[in-house]
Amino acid sequence: QVQLVQSGAELMKPGSSLKVSCQASGYTFSNNYIHWVRQAPGQGLQWMGSINPSGGDTKFAPRLQGRVSMTRDMSTSTVYMQLRSLKFDDTAIYFCARVDPVAGTFDHWGQGTLVTVSS
Amino acid sequence: SSELTQPPSVSVSPGQTANITCSGDELPKQYVYWYQQKPGQAPLVIIYKDTERPSGIPERFSGSTSETIVTLTISGVQAEDEADYYCQAGDSSGIYVIFGGGTKLTVL
Repeated sequence: QVQLVQSGAELMKPGSSLKVSCQASGYTFSNNYIHWVRQAPGQGLQWMGSINPSGGDTKFAPRLQGRVSMTRDMSTSTVYMQLRSLKFDDTAIYFCARVDPVAGTFDHWGQGTLVTVSS
Repeated sequence: SSELTQPPSVSVSPGQTANITCSGDELPKQYVYWYQQKPGQAPLVIIYKDTERPSGIPERFSGSTSETIVTLTISGVQAEDEADYYCQAGDSSGIYVIFGGGTKLTVL
């Protein structure tokens, strides 16, 4: 069965860099884009960006351009999301999600990674 | 920039019909997707490409469109439908993904 398993919770300092992993299994990794979506406490969903595991090409939300990057490791079917220069309002649950290329949906999600930015 | 606007909250009694709207200028050019999110869980897609329902999603969930407004309809609301609902589409460029602000459905 399709699974996306994310790395564990993180406590970060302002100004530091975050790296969250999302390991895929149960399907051909290169066939589906992976997106990252975050959700601040009590708030809505915010799209961060996407990566095509096949070619490594990425797209990022304009508001995060310059601070976010996404990479993948084909040998372990893992996608990484890095966010630099962390701010207090980067505190959120970070989700990775797979896209079904036919339906266009986020059809499988990781369990979420809680990131807390605190001094 | 493109925006999707949803009402913050909708309340209905069990068995009634809930309508949750999502408005945006770009919606006539973009497919809309609806997600249900319960506390502590990841979102779950319940409607895709405006009106299609994934397998396993109850028939009481349906989607419709009218110009710049799309609507998620839940017919015969059940207590288990209490959740946050988000619409999602592409922005005007078709490059980026945008979410509506979410609607909290309360079943009275």
